[in-house]
Amino acid sequence: DIHMTQSPSSLSASVGDRVTITCRATGDIGNYLNWYQQKAGKAPQLLIYTASNLQSGVPSRFSGSGSGTDFTLTISSLHLEDFATYYCQQSYSFPLTFGLGTRVEI
Amino acid sequence: EVQLVESGGGWVQPGGSLRLSCSASGFYFSGFEMNWFRQSPGGGLEWISYITSNSLTVHYADSVKGRFTVSRDNARNSLFLQMNSLRVEDTALYFCARDPPFGGSDYWGQGTLVSVSS
Repeated sequence: DIHMTQSPSSLSASVGDRVTITCRATGDIGNYLNWYQQKAGKAPQLLIYTASNLQSGVPSRFSGSGSGTDFTLTISSLHLEDFATYYCQQSYSFPLTFGLGTRVEI
Repeated sequence: EVQLVESGGGWVQPGGSLRLSCSASGFYFSGFEMNWFRQSPGGGLEWISYITSNSLTVHYADSVKGRFTVSRDNARNSLFLQMNSLRVEDTALYFCARDPPFGGSDYWGQGTLVSVSS
């Protein structure tokens, strides 16, 4: 199984800050890496698919990069509505696996 | 508008069974692969099952293999998860999600809560 390690597990930031979250896979997953945002009591929302592709309707301040084993989610300028938990997920092979999440707090 | 609505959750004793349903609308259900995920209270996300559009291929997480069965009825735009031999550790919010060909799961239901306890 491919294990996903996210860092940091939590971070404190302010509106307008640039935020970077990293995700590392235990094996080469090519670009089969997806990022989700989840707010309390809600289902996850797909932000980025295949490492760098912005899901329709997602603001352009979100971007993703990386390939192989190392990936990054960047929020260029944090908005109030971006305070949430973010998860990476590999879809290279079954079982699909997630990182433990990064909680972005004020 | 794409919608996924789960139902069938509830409380059950260890060893019991439940059948979850996911009703799809607003898209061509027969053309999409589907997944089930779950999230334990205060926990992270866990993938548990996948099914192709024609039901010919299914996959399960080791944690549920042999106990859970995924199926679908394309004529009724519905996805199912039969859960047998339930354990306390199966307590979670269960989500169905659409799996587009380009990667990731782009639409999720609101979830249905399964609680297993004595």
